[in-house]
Amino acid sequence: NAGVMQNPRHLVRRRGQEARLRCSPMKGHSHVYWYRQLPEEGLKFMVYLQKENIIDESGMPKERFSAEFPKEGPSILRIQQVVRGDSAAYFCASSPREGYGYTFGSGTRLTVV
Amino acid sequence: GESVGLHLPTLSVQEGDNSIINCAYSNSASDYFIWYKQESGKGPQFIIDIRSNMDKRQGQRVTVLLNKTVKHLSLQIAATQPGDSAVYFCAENMAAGNKLTFGGGTRVLVKP
Repeated sequence: NAGVMQNPRHLVRRRGQEARLRCSPMKGHSHVYWYRQLPEEGLKFMVYLQKENIIDESGMPKERFSAEFPKEGPSILRIQQVVRGDSAAYFCASSPREGYGYTFGSGTRLTVV
Repeated sequence: GESVGLHLPTLSVQEGDNSIINCAYSNSASDYFIWYKQESGKGPQFIIDIRSNMDKRQGQRVTVLLNKTVKHLSLQIAATQPGDSAVYFCAENMAAGNKLTFGGGTRVLVKP
């Protein structure tokens, strides 16, 4: 079991470009979560998805950010028209069901220049 | 070493000593708690969890204590080793939802 796979590990984008972050959950896990982490800070919840459904997006900014978890393929976190303030580490986690601890991926470090 | 605000508090520990990391959680409805360890440049790694019907749980070299009366969680690491140097986060989950809320983290530095 390869664990939670995120790619790319590092992503550099110019202001105004789009960033696409991918996450493949652990085998058998149908719940996916995205978190954002600024340097020297904790992890902030963004969105919780199950296959083809957004369950909780209360942590997502209202504009430019979207997430999906299609029936086939990885979960995608998409940031349109990136700004410098979007620079952060973005972590994906998965769990087999509710009420269980998450397994995290290694994260994608987004740098906006 | 209680987690507070934006700047990570730091706990310096001599190798071989025991470490105690504290966390004050926010929601009295939370019923599931987890400690994670995060090393530099890596994702959080599960250490140990505890449900609200327990007040203590032990793992290998780690013990989690839960005091629901004062909404306090602690992680004890026995015989701290250099490999224990990392940032430690507590996280809470409410029964009504499936969203882990993380505390601010505590950095543990192990001195040889």
